[in-house]
Amino acid sequence: GDSVTQMEGPVTLSEEAFLTINCTYTATGYPSLFWYVQYPGEGLQLLLKATKADDKGSNKGFEATYRKETTSFHLEKGSVQVSDSAVYFCALSHNAGNMLTFGGGTRLMVKP
Amino acid sequence: DAGVIQSPRHEVTEMGQEVTLRCKPISGHNSLFWYRQTMMRGLELLIYFNNNVPIDDSGMPEDRFSAKMPNASFSTLKIQPSEPRDSAVYFCASSFEGGWGELFFGEGSRLTVL
Repeated sequence: GDSVTQMEGPVTLSEEAFLTINCTYTATGYPSLFWYVQYPGEGLQLLLKATKADDKGSNKGFEATYRKETTSFHLEKGSVQVSDSAVYFCALSHNAGNMLTFGGGTRLMVKP
Repeated sequence: DAGVIQSPRHEVTEMGQEVTLRCKPISGHNSLFWYRQTMMRGLELLIYFNNNVPIDDSGMPEDRFSAKMPNASFSTLKIQPSEPRDSAVYFCASSFEGGWGELFFGEGSRLTVL
């Protein structure tokens, strides 16, 4: 079956540092890939997505590129802010029915 | 526009009591999901409805859990009887046809069973 593996957290960075959160997946075919973010006390919200190989999703300074050859979708941001402190979830979906397989989540803590 | 609305936001109850969590999806969305989040197990899909019909309930832990969606604008998740290990944050999410993985989550219901 499908699975998503993320690097374990917490990831602790200083403000303006470069961020990478690794995500790899196992799936048949060509799933769509997503990053969701969960701020403290809130539900998850879609951060970015990519629907085919070599696509780059981007939003709020975050980027991730769909790498079919390495089955990866790593999240990056050039300069993190304290307000980026949250839990980040990588996920995949095979169909328009919107069934998602989530990774375990990675907590990011950004210090001033 | 109103997002997904869940109630109650917080519930504290004693073991053995019945718990009912409620969800109002975004108008026009035809898929609804119930998730459970704990530190130990992360985010787990409990059940998924499409057009008010349960499609996949393989994540429902046991017979103590039940979910209904009597119409397009309302769903409930019931736990009877509740146990301390049910303590978690329960999220409801909705999506629209062809949404391709974009789920809209509510703010969650934090359940504590003593």
